[in-house]
Amino acid sequence: DAKTTQPTSMDCAEGRAANLPCNHSTISGNEYVYWYRQIHSQGPQYIIHGLKNNETNEMASLIITEDRKSSTLILPHATLRDTAVYYCIVRDGATNKLIFGTGTLLAVQP
Amino acid sequence: EPEVTQTPSHQVTQMGQEVILRCVPISNHLYFYWYRQILGQKVEFLVSFYNNEISEKSEIFDDQFSVERPDGSNFTLKIRSTKLEDSAMYFCASKQTGTPIGEQYFGPGTRLTVT
Repeated sequence: DAKTTQPTSMDCAEGRAANLPCNHSTISGNEYVYWYRQIHSQGPQYIIHGLKNNETNEMASLIITEDRKSSTLILPHATLRDTAVYYCIVRDGATNKLIFGTGTLLAVQP
Repeated sequence: EPEVTQTPSHQVTQMGQEVILRCVPISNHLYFYWYRQILGQKVEFLVSFYNNEISEKSEIFDDQFSVERPDGSNFTLKIRSTKLEDSAMYFCASKQTGTPIGEQYFGPGTRLTVT
């Protein structure tokens, strides 16, 4: 089972920041947090990952709390094309696999 | 930007037939994966492959499934005798050496329909 908890769905106005929360209270000290998204049955798309520090790339920012029990993915200026299911994933131990949960369906509204 | 490609985009087959799904991973990637997603359900891990052997497989990946890297560019998933419940989107993914396990790059998928 997935080690993360996310809201089922969220809305965001186009042009505004989208803040997607994720709880991962059982995360271990050496486990990364990964974010992916899936646009309408396309292949999942890697967005960003982090361990302890906040991270930013051309797609998004990742804010991880100091206790590492939760994180927030921020899309600074959401567009209609950002409408997708967003998955927060903590890899399970030494396994090679990604365990996808049900994610958050982000609907960006015009 | 390099990307994972998959062929065909849609495959229709009859129950009991063999199918081969093809993937071309990103050229300098050495870790390869197959996942599947039944319509309306979660993305599920099937198998990971590194150094010409399976490194991990799920319970779904039974004897009906096999993977192969027949040459330096292709990575294939074979289903020997398809069942109705094999109908799903199949995604190939690849990862570069030296990057975290979770930084995988997915292809667009092959929609398999078993009739």
